[in-house]
Amino acid sequence: EAGVVQSPRYKIIEKKQPVAFWCNPISGHNTLYWYRQNLGQGPELLIRYENEEAVDDSQLPKDRFSAERLKGVDSTLKIQPAELGDSAVYLCASSLGQKETQYFGPGTRLLVL
Amino acid sequence: EDQVTQSPEALRLQEGESSSLNCSYTVSGLRGLFWYRQDPGKGPEFLFTLYSAGEEKEKERLKATLTKKESFLHITAPKPEDSATYLCAVRGGATNKLIFGTGTLLAVQP
Repeated sequence: EAGVVQSPRYKIIEKKQPVAFWCNPISGHNTLYWYRQNLGQGPELLIRYENEEAVDDSQLPKDRFSAERLKGVDSTLKIQPAELGDSAVYLCASSLGQKETQYFGPGTRLLVL
Repeated sequence: EDQVTQSPEALRLQEGESSSLNCSYTVSGLRGLFWYRQDPGKGPEFLFTLYSAGEEKEKERLKATLTKKESFLHITAPKPEDSATYLCAVRGGATNKLIFGTGTLLAVQP
């Protein structure tokens, strides 16, 4: 069974530029999560989707971050414009439901110069 | 406030030298404690879920235990391939979302 797929794996951009990350969850998983992991820290939740509905986006910096999951399957996380402090690993995870085990993708490593 | 504290921050073991990693937590209404392994450049890999005090789970050289305040990840006779960062997370509280600790970086030397 294929795991969570993320692309790109690495991204280097200049500050103030836009950037987008893509995630395809495990087949059949209705719940999708985006996390940010800073160096030496654990992942922190940015947003959770139940199918196509964003049900917890309280930690998403809405002035520059946006996300979508239009058909309830794959998802895109966007940052516009990027700031130096956005440099981190962006992880996508999925689960059968909110109460089920979360499985993580390999992450996208973002460096903002 | 829900909180997870892991110790030690880093641990170096010789191959075959057993030890334990600690995860202390504060959460209202625990709905699961999770252990993940994270290799450099990769996403966290699920290991165990524990739900109630006294519960234990094992996988190869790893055994996870749970009390009302903390969890231990026991590593028996570790091998170099066990080297990784081990993350602990709890789910519970008002938001029911996963709260992660900062992890323990384990290095097993041959």
